[in-house]
Amino acid sequence: KAGVTQTPRYLIKTRGQQVTLSCSPISGHRSVSWYQQTPGQGLQFLFEYFSETQRNKGNFPGRFSGRQFSNSRSEMNVSTLELGDSALYLCASSPNEPSQETQYFGPGTRLLVL
Amino acid sequence: GDSVTQMEGPVTLSEEAFLTINCTYTATGYPSLFWYVQYPGEGLQLLLKATKADDKGSNKGFEATYRKETTSFHLEKGSVQVSDSAVYFCARENSGNTPLVFGKGTRLSVIA
Repeated sequence: KAGVTQTPRYLIKTRGQQVTLSCSPISGHRSVSWYQQTPGQGLQFLFEYFSETQRNKGNFPGRFSGRQFSNSRSEMNVSTLELGDSALYLCASSPNEPSQETQYFGPGTRLLVL
Repeated sequence: GDSVTQMEGPVTLSEEAFLTINCTYTATGYPSLFWYVQYPGEGLQLLLKATKADDKGSNKGFEATYRKETTSFHLEKGSVQVSDSAVYFCARENSGNTPLVFGKGTRLSVIA
């Protein structure tokens, strides 16, 4: 079974631009979670989607948004990029409710904002 | 609030040395506990987990025991290899609004 895939793997943007990242979960998994990883803050939870509905949300500004499609693929969008948004963005999938099950992570998208 | 605290790195060991990475958690109840590993340039991979008190998770020579008395889940390996060089994250299940709560990670470097 293929693992979680994320595209693109690397991205360079400038301040003020917007970006869309994509995540394809493991086949059959219905839950997708997004995390931001930075050297200073570690792993921080962004949001989680299940069956096209956002179920949980972390403490990030409204510039960060996401959605999930009927095939469980998910996208996250960051608008009006700031330098501090430079990070590794990780997507994780699980069959059902992630708090009760193992999450499987993708390789991440590394975003650099200049 | 509920949290996970793990020892700060970096940890540098010689090959075949004994490894311990401490992890403690705060929680109400008995959440599932996890260790994830992140190799350079990659995402996180589940290393091992324990779902109830006194359970021992093990994989690839790594072990961790769920200790409810000390609210700890320390990671150990008897003989590390250069290929074990990575960042290790302790995590706990969360009954609140996030799927997992992670520690800040501990970077391990093993030198030959």
